[in-house]
Amino acid sequence: KAGVTQTPRYLIKTRGQQVTLSCSPISGHRSVSWYQQTPGQGLQFLFEYFSETQRNKGNFPGRFSGRQFSNSRSEMNVSTLELGDSALYLCASSTGLAGALYNEQFFGPGTRLTVL
Amino acid sequence: GEDVEQSLFLSVREGDSSVINCTYTDSSSTYLYWYKQEPGAGLQLLTYIFSNMDMKQDQRLTVLLNKKDKHLSLRIADTQTGDSAIYFCAHPLKESGGSYIPTFGRGTSLIVHP
Repeated sequence: KAGVTQTPRYLIKTRGQQVTLSCSPISGHRSVSWYQQTPGQGLQFLFEYFSETQRNKGNFPGRFSGRQFSNSRSEMNVSTLELGDSALYLCASSTGLAGALYNEQFFGPGTRLTVL
Repeated sequence: GEDVEQSLFLSVREGDSSVINCTYTDSSSTYLYWYKQEPGAGLQLLTYIFSNMDMKQDQRLTVLLNKKDKHLSLRIADTQTGDSAIYFCAHPLKESGGSYIPTFGRGTSLIVHP
């Protein structure tokens, strides 16, 4: 069974731009969660989508948004990029029946975003 | 303080046991997890423990939970160089709004030297 895939793996943007990251979950998984990982803040939960609906949300500004499609693939968007948005963005999928972290989550390799 | 705290580094000799510690604040957590992250990779679930358990053993891994002290530990027996990675403690933290947010420690970098 193929694992979680994320595209692109690396991205360089400049301040003020916007970016869209993509995540394809494991076949059959309906939940996709997004995390931001930085040296300063560690791993922080962004949001979780289940069956095309946002089910849970972390403490991030509205510049961070996401969506999920009917095939469970998910995208996250960051608008008006700031230097502090430079991070590794991780996506995780699970069956999702009981919410993020109550089901085993399978992580993708991440997208490394650098904001200049 | 942080919701989940871990020491940042641990260095051990190959063949010795490693013990990685974690303290958390939310006593309502029903599950506590240990994840492993190797360089350039995402996180991989190692093991988890239910809050009504004191100990769980899984091959070389032993998880100990002290609910009274809100302390979780991961012991790796016969540590190998392949165990070198960052280890994260995680649990669902109940927010004021009632929802549960997956919350991770900052991770402990385990370095195994020959």
